[in-house]
Amino acid sequence: QVQLVESGGGVVQAGKSLRLSCAASGFTFSSYGLHWVRQAPGKGLEWVALIWYDGSNEYYGDSVKGRFTISRDNSKNTLYLQMSSLRVDDTAVYYCARRGSASYFDLWGRGTLVSVSS
Amino acid sequence: NFMLTQPHSVSASPGKTVTISCTRSSGTIASKYVHWYRQRPGSVPTIVISEDDQRPSAVPDRFSGSIDTSSNSAFLTISGLKTEDESDYYCQSFDSSTNHVIFGGGTKLTVL
Repeated sequence: QVQLVESGGGVVQAGKSLRLSCAASGFTFSSYGLHWVRQAPGKGLEWVALIWYDGSNEYYGDSVKGRFTISRDNSKNTLYLQMSSLRVDDTAVYYCARRGSASYFDLWGRGTLVSVSS
Repeated sequence: NFMLTQPHSVSASPGKTVTISCTRSSGTIASKYVHWYRQRPGSVPTIVISEDDQRPSAVPDRFSGSIDTSSNSAFLTISGLKTEDESDYYCQSFDSSTNHVIFGGGTKLTVL
């Protein structure tokens, strides 16, 4: 079954760190660029980060640059998001998403909720 | 980065036609594809229009997409509205100068 499954979310205090994982199955993981997209409660979609298929390049949204790190392990079919110096406004559901050949997000995980408390 | 601006909300009656706009703040709307997603409450976004005007096979032909260079905007049009079309709709493009993905703020469609 083609799917992405996120894990690692939870409640964390402001200033702390958290690592999210996204396990992929059913497709050739190493062939696709992957993204993290988040959605704060009641708000719209916000792009967080992108990593190329081979991990050679990473790009970040302005609100997370310097605090978050995207990485992947193609041998484990797993995508990661290391989040540090967390802020209350990082509270959101975090989705991993696959960028398909037609350049849009053609596969999304169910998301994992990160709640940052003050 | 450029921005994509959508109306916060739109509404129309069942059976009618509604169009949601997505206006690019700088650069040319035609320079990078615009994609449209639907997100029902509590659900994951799903594609309804890709690459400006391509409709995936699973999406009803009541959904169509277009771009207009004079207004620097992309449009999602839904005809023959049904109550099940009530959702949030997001446009999305890509800024190749920064390699950033850009989302519009989303539009809440109410069918009443």
